[in-house]
Amino acid sequence: GENVEQHPSTLSVQEGDSAVIKCTYSDSASNYFPWYKQELGKRPQLIIDIRSNVGEKKDQRIAVTLNKTAKHFSLHITETQPEDSAVYFCAAIRNSGGYQKVTFGIGTKLQVIP
Amino acid sequence: ETGVTQTPRHLVMGMTNKKSLKCEQHLGHNAMYWYKQSAKKPLELMFVYNFKEQTENNSVPSRFSPECPNSSHLFLHLHTLQPEDSALYLCASSQVSGAGVAETQYFGPGTRLLVL
Repeated sequence: GENVEQHPSTLSVQEGDSAVIKCTYSDSASNYFPWYKQELGKRPQLIIDIRSNVGEKKDQRIAVTLNKTAKHFSLHITETQPEDSAVYFCAAIRNSGGYQKVTFGIGTKLQVIP
Repeated sequence: ETGVTQTPRHLVMGMTNKKSLKCEQHLGHNAMYWYKQSAKKPLELMFVYNFKEQTENNSVPSRFSPECPNSSHLFLHLHTLQPEDSALYLCASSQVSGAGVAETQYFGPGTRLLVL
């Protein structure tokens, strides 16, 4: 089955600096890679996603890059703010026979220090 | 925030109790999921339902029993749980096509379960 490795598990940055979180996956059939942000006591919420036919996607301060050959994708947050502090999860998804197979990374706890 | 709802939000139960978790999605999706979220572990996919049919059971113990009466509702029936089953149980939904296109999952707020 699919295996998704995510690192680092914790990350502390100064406000205004950039943060990068990396994930690798094993199943070459995975073709959709969402990133979720989960604040303390709240549900995971989608912040950005990328499909396998795209190499990079950006939405304001957040960007995701995908290297299909190496089977890794990364989340980039620039100009970090204290409200970016949360746990971030990557996922690798493939549509198999009309239903989705989903594997999540272990999560990265990001702390932005004011 | 109201697309996927879960009740109850918090639940404390003894090992001999029977309880049920409820999930409802208002997004018109055709697939629903149960996840278990424990500290220091990845989100664990428990069950998947597509068009009300269970399509995945990831070796979940039989003390967890899912039910999907229609494409908008999903239940997780709990009986004779163990303390290690204490966790956050998250429901999610998505739209799945037969064309091989994977779509975003939307999560409910979760039920925080404590088994004593």
